[in-house]
Amino acid sequence: NAGVTQTPKFRILKIGQSMTLQCAQDMNHNYMYWYRQDPGMGLKLIYYSVGAGITDKGEVPNGYNVSRSTTEDFPLRLELAAPSQTSVYFCASSSTGTASSYNSPLHFGNGTRLTVT
Amino acid sequence: KQEVTQIPAALSVPEGENLVLNCSFTDSAIYNLQWFRQDPGKGLTSLLLIQSSQREQTSGRLNASLDKSSGRSTLYIAASQPGDSATYLCAVRPETGANNLFFGTGTRLTVIP
Repeated sequence: NAGVTQTPKFRILKIGQSMTLQCAQDMNHNYMYWYRQDPGMGLKLIYYSVGAGITDKGEVPNGYNVSRSTTEDFPLRLELAAPSQTSVYFCASSSTGTASSYNSPLHFGNGTRLTVT
Repeated sequence: KQEVTQIPAALSVPEGENLVLNCSFTDSAIYNLQWFRQDPGKGLTSLLLIQSSQREQTSGRLNASLDKSSGRSTLYIAASQPGDSATYLCAVRPETGANNLFFGTGTRLTVIP
């Protein structure tokens, strides 16, 4: 039962480099999210998707891009990495179900720890 | 803007004690509140989700309550065990902009054997 899988677990980038954080879920969830977690701060939403082909900005989208070509995958792209993007990144998913989709719990991956120097 | 606060930031208790973790939020227009557990270097695991129409939810030794009108939730852990040591976070899903959950900064719990 894999759930939400994130790769890589750790990455160090130089300023100006780019990379893609991978996220895949095998629960057939329509909703997927990217959060970042900074020390002493609550998680902040970067982007989210309500289904394949549909994405939207969250609270802190600047410097990031996403795509959702399949239900399973939701990669997060960093272009021109900056030190301010040093953080732990979490991908999450939730189902729509028969009840209100908003009352479905979120399932998280184990995170990607990114350092930009 | 919704703000979620968790106090205390850290808590140490001896094994076997019952304990309460607190979560407060500023805007009562919410769909639900979730409690999560986060172990070091790991993702968040959903423990309990309380819908806005509910007063409490229980799972094993865990009981979460919600007082929406006062903007408060508590997570009660009975007969604490060393394996309960983790950071506990609460998050609210607002009625407006419901795709964005607002998270607290968590309470780091240590249960001493």
